[in-house]
Amino acid sequence: AQSVTQLDSQVPVFEEAPVELRCNYSSSVSVYLFWYVQYPNQGLQLLLKYLSGSTLVKGINGFEAEFNKSQTSFHLRKPSVHISDTAEYFCAVLPAHQAGTALIFGKGTTLSVSS
Amino acid sequence: DVKVTQSSRYLVKRTGEKVFLECVQDMDHENMFWYRQDPGLGLRLIYFSYDVKMKEKGDIPEGYSVSREKKERFSLILESASTNQTSMYLCASSTPTGAGQYFGPGTRLTVT
Repeated sequence: AQSVTQLDSQVPVFEEAPVELRCNYSSSVSVYLFWYVQYPNQGLQLLLKYLSGSTLVKGINGFEAEFNKSQTSFHLRKPSVHISDTAEYFCAVLPAHQAGTALIFGKGTTLSVSS
Repeated sequence: DVKVTQSSRYLVKRTGEKVFLECVQDMDHENMFWYRQDPGLGLRLIYFSYDVKMKEKGDIPEGYSVSREKKERFSLILESASTNQTSMYLCASSTPTGAGQYFGPGTRLTVT
């Protein structure tokens, strides 16, 4: 079975500072990895995904993530955050051989950006 | 632009009522999902469907049922709403090759 751990439930940062949201996963099979963002009172929007190939994945809004197979991690980074990045962020995993099934989500990290 | 729509953004129901949450996608996706989102618990899968009239239980199906009569529409039914079903409900869809799901805006249900 797969599982996802988001290591920080809340991350407060100042505007223009860099940020890293940490995600570790557990799986005995190959997986696809995802980051979603949820703005207040909205659904989830896909930020980026890793399916195969380059381990550094670039997404929307200046975010990127690096897949590290040896450490089973998929941390999300942004070099300079804006107030508008305040949201909840979810890491998710999907077994590659079950690509059409449901995602397994972490419990989320709330990013709060202040001026 | 791809779209998953949900019939209501906010819903208030009384204990014991039968509640229908509707989800429609316009991407011709085979797979559709219902999740429940609660603070500190993330998203938990209630049911999913991989074809018309086909359904599979997720992690927390108790107290819920689903219906999929048409490919584009997936309904979540609370047969007798209870206060512990107060939550945010999110619908999603994907192709069988998966590689990501598209989410609707969510329905925030309050049961009083």
